[in-house]
Amino acid sequence: AQTVTQSQPEMSVQEAETVTLSCTYDTSESDYYLFWYKQPPSRQMILVIRQEAYKQQNATENRFSVNFQKAAKSFSLKISDSQLGDAAMYFCASRGYGGSQGNLIFGKGTKLSVKP
Amino acid sequence: NAGVMQNPRHLVRRRGQEARLRCSPMKGHSHVYWYRQLPEEGLKFMVYLQKENIIDESGMPKERFSAEFPKEGPSILRIQQVVRGDSAAYFCASSPPAVNWETQYFGPGTRLLVL
Repeated sequence: AQTVTQSQPEMSVQEAETVTLSCTYDTSESDYYLFWYKQPPSRQMILVIRQEAYKQQNATENRFSVNFQKAAKSFSLKISDSQLGDAAMYFCASRGYGGSQGNLIFGKGTKLSVKP
Repeated sequence: NAGVMQNPRHLVRRRGQEARLRCSPMKGHSHVYWYRQLPEEGLKFMVYLQKENIIDESGMPKERFSAEFPKEGPSILRIQQVVRGDSAAYFCASSPPAVNWETQYFGPGTRLLVL
């Protein structure tokens, strides 16, 4: 079974600074996908970034980037130039490859606060 | 292109009543997933459907819960004889059949409160 662990229940960052959120996972799959979702106070789940496990290059989306360490099963999210609007719960998630491996496995989340 | 739509956004039921939650996937998406989020928790998978088929219901309680995704119309998550422990946010997600099939796009959720 797949598991996703986020060991930081809460994190805080100063506006314009950089913060890294940690995520580790465990899977027996050889191919899989990893995601970071953001859940602001509105509770809408918003996709931040995704990574295909077969790709060695780390995914980047504007101020968001990941550090994907496949051997260590680590998938951390780096937020650069943090903005007040980045304050939210951040969830790491994984899913397997293949038709029946549809569901996402989520971590428990990290609550990010951004200080002005 | 409208996103995933869920209604109602908030639903209040008394114990023993039925709750029906609706989800309209994004246009062109044929895969629908339902998740439940308890307070202070991450999302937990419940069921995965394609049109007229349940692909994986391993996360759904065996009793009182059912889901469908008919050929026409939205996907429905139905909870019969609700209990207080069913109070949660229920999220629907959809994904396309081909390009970017692995990425799920979420609706705004339905907050169910059982009194």
